[in-house]
Amino acid sequence: SQTIHQWPATLVQPVGSPLSLECTVEGTSNPNLYWYRQAAGRGLQLLFYSVGIGQISSEVPQNLSASRPQDRQFILSSKKLLLSDSGFYLCAWSSGQGARETQYFGPGTRLLVL
Amino acid sequence: AQSVTQLDSQVPVFEEAPVELRCNYSSSVSVYLFWYVQYPNQGLQLLLKYLSGSTLVKGINGFEAEFNKSQTSFHLRKPSVHISDTAEYFCAVRSQGGSEKLVFGKGTKLTVNP
Repeated sequence: SQTIHQWPATLVQPVGSPLSLECTVEGTSNPNLYWYRQAAGRGLQLLFYSVGIGQISSEVPQNLSASRPQDRQFILSSKKLLLSDSGFYLCAWSSGQGARETQYFGPGTRLLVL
Repeated sequence: AQSVTQLDSQVPVFEEAPVELRCNYSSSVSVYLFWYVQYPNQGLQLLLKYLSGSTLVKGINGFEAEFNKSQTSFHLRKPSVHISDTAEYFCAVRSQGGSEKLVFGKGTKLTVNP
């Protein structure tokens, strides 16, 4: 069966520091991968998605970037964090076989920027 | 482009009472519809989805939803809720034949009181 991991689970970082959040998927190959941010009262916002290694699409201009160095690894980064980057970050995967396919979510990383 | 409106940000109910969480969507093309549940400090779990066929969809934990194309709605219902149903519920849509990107509503927080 497929599983999705995210780490760290919780992170407290000062403003201006760098960020690296990691997401890995097991039990599937060539998945589509997604990064979402969830801010209080604002639902889920799609940040990036990837259909393959090195292929990243950005949905919202911002202080963050994403990379996919391996088929089942998706990394969210920032060079300098802002207060507004605080939130709950969720990684998701789908089989990449079309719009009927379900997205499955990881446990999330809660980021607090102080 | 699609949009999703969850009309109630918070819904308090008593245990064993029925509940309906409302979801309306807007789209110029046909869509697939999803409901996800998020327990505190966890990722999202798929409750149910409508892809085609019967407009009444049954999901996990006794939930069901009905797709109404004329009213562009996909309301979630449960005839008798439990304390353990306390969570945030998200409605999401995705265009048929397009990308796999999901558009989420802002969520409805269901609180079940004893």
